[in-house]
Amino acid sequence: DVKVTQSSRYLVKRTGEKVFLECVQDMDHENMFWYRQDPGLGLRLIYFSYDVKMKEKGDIPEGYSVSREKKERFSLILESASTNQTSMYLCASSLNLVQGETQYFGPGTRLLVL
Amino acid sequence: AQSVTQPDIHITVSEGASLELRCNYSYGATPYLFWYVQSPGQGLQLLLKYFSGDTLVQGIKGFEAEFKRSQSSFNLRKPSVHWSDAAEYFCAVGVWGGSQGNLIFGKGTKLSVKP
Repeated sequence: DVKVTQSSRYLVKRTGEKVFLECVQDMDHENMFWYRQDPGLGLRLIYFSYDVKMKEKGDIPEGYSVSREKKERFSLILESASTNQTSMYLCASSLNLVQGETQYFGPGTRLLVL
Repeated sequence: AQSVTQPDIHITVSEGASLELRCNYSYGATPYLFWYVQSPGQGLQLLLKYFSGDTLVQGIKGFEAEFKRSQSSFNLRKPSVHWSDAAEYFCAVGVWGGSQGNLIFGKGTKLSVKP
């Protein structure tokens, strides 16, 4: 079974803090994704990566950056957290970046920025 | 524009009743369609997916979905709902943009189950 893990289930940070969200997958998948999920808005893609050190912006990259130094690990970075970044963050991975490829999701990190 | 619409934000059904969750998509080429389920506080789990062939797709947990090209729909069904089916359900379409494929998600339908 594919396993995608996220470093924290719940996180509370203060405005202006630098925040790191970590995601690890154990299936040697090429591609990894970061989404945020908000009530009534569904899932929105922040960034994705199709290879080590490669990244592509998604629909809402502003205020975020990412890092992929190793194939299995994909980090989401909030350089200076703001209250409007309070959300549920979901990481996913997929084997290939083709049209019909299934994405496998982690359990999510619920971030509260005070 | 590529999009997925789930018209029902919240549905309540009685345990044992049948269920149908609606999904409409907008995509110019051949769609690849998915249903995911998210239990409270959890990530998303794949229920089923459609690529081609038989338009009625069977998934896990007794769910099925039917692809209707003429209606641009991919509705999810279950003949008899269990209390454990209470969750949020997301429909998604796999699209091809530039050099990569990706998923576009609907906004979700929250299912409540009455005892």
